[in-house]
Amino acid sequence: DVKVTQSSRYLVKRTGEKVFLECVQDMDHENMFWYRQDPGLGLRLIYFSYDVKMKEKGDIPEGYSVSREKKERFSLILESASTNQTSMYLCASSWAQHSSYNEQFFGPGTRLTVL
Amino acid sequence: RKEVEQDPGPFNVPEGATVAFNCTYSNSASQSFFWYRQDCRKEPKLLMSVYSSGNEDGRFTAQLNRASQYISLLIRDSKLSDSATYLCVVKAGSARQLTFGSGTQLTVLP
Repeated sequence: DVKVTQSSRYLVKRTGEKVFLECVQDMDHENMFWYRQDPGLGLRLIYFSYDVKMKEKGDIPEGYSVSREKKERFSLILESASTNQTSMYLCASSWAQHSSYNEQFFGPGTRLTVL
Repeated sequence: RKEVEQDPGPFNVPEGATVAFNCTYSNSASQSFFWYRQDCRKEPKLLMSVYSSGNEDGRFTAQLNRASQYISLLIRDSKLSDSATYLCVVKAGSARQLTFGSGTQLTVLP
């Protein structure tokens, strides 16, 4: 079974703090993704990576950065957390683009609250 | 206009009912189509892919109409365990990423 794990299920931070969200997958997937999910807005793509040290902006990258130093690990960084970044954060992974199999496998999510 | 639009619901149906969800997408370059299911406080999981000819998986039938840029999901003989949010998902041919709809919430009542 594919397993995608995230470092925390719940996180509470204060405005201005630097926040690290970690994601690890065990299926040797090339692609990894970070989304946030908010009521009525659905899943919105923040950043994704298709290879080690490669990254691309998604739909809402402002206020976030990412790091992918190893294939299995993809980190989301909030340089200076703000209250509007309170959300559910979901990590996902999938095989490479050339694969005909497009399924994304998701981690359990991190519910981040910024006070 | 959102790239993928779904009726948010909620749909409340009795056990055994047939229920249909619709979804429209705006990007005519979309090549791959999926339905994901998300249980309350859980992560999304792939329910089924949607093929041009339509496809069926047990009680679930998915249809694609490329001309109208429209996808549907039909659930027959609803079970209590079908209660979830159903996400319509599309992928442009050249893209690595998926685009998700906001989801349609289904509650099956005893």
